[in-house]
Amino acid sequence: QVQLQQWGAGLLKPSETLSLTCAVYGGSFSGYYWSWIRQPPGKGLEWIGEINHSGSTNYNPSLKSRVTISVDTSKNQFSLKLSSVTAADTAVYYCARAASYYDILTGYYSSWFDPWGQGTLVTVSS
Amino acid sequence: SSELTQDPAVSVALGQTVRITCQGDSLRSYYASWYQQKPGQAPVLVIYGKNNRPSGIPDRFSGSSSGNTASLTITGAQAEDEADYYCNSRDSSGNHPPYVFGTGTKVTVL
Repeated sequence: QVQLQQWGAGLLKPSETLSLTCAVYGGSFSGYYWSWIRQPPGKGLEWIGEINHSGSTNYNPSLKSRVTISVDTSKNQFSLKLSSVTAADTAVYYCARAASYYDILTGYYSSWFDPWGQGTLVTVSS
Repeated sequence: SSELTQDPAVSVALGQTVRITCQGDSLRSYYASWYQQKPGQAPVLVIYGKNNRPSGIPDRFSGSSSGNTASLTITGAQAEDEADYYCNSRDSSGNHPPYVFGTGTKVTVL
């Protein structure tokens, strides 16, 4: 059973760089995309970006200029860096595995996130 | 901003059935996935694909889709089903991020 364990600094000052790492245990690292998702206090979920084992990335356009996601396949880990943080970046950050398939019978595409890491609360405050 | 719209809150009597809907143009081409989130916990996948439940998810959870609307149905709601529920879908329109989440629905079990 795949498990994700994440860690990183929980308190930052404005303009600093957020840095989080997620380790994948118990399953295949290749063949999937690995995502970061965040949730501001009391609000909904926002997808940040993803990476695969080859280092191919996709980012949320609203954050793209400040986000870097990297991968270390030797450790089955992937990391998030978000630069120039402000109070608006205060949120619980989650890592998650993304899976997908194309249903040839219906012509629909399906994607989902499972499992998720435990979450890391990152607070930006001066 | 999210382009998947959900009702903010619904309530259901214990043992009764509740349906949570998610509307968005991307749902005409992509199945929604559904997540349950309890306070202070990470989201948990409950439905993906046409109507698939991960291992460990009770069969009282089911999913369906029609046009631009996806639905999550809880048949025989239990007290432990009280939570926030989010839908999610890919979006290939180019106008939004590759993945979008719904606005979330708070389910209260009475």
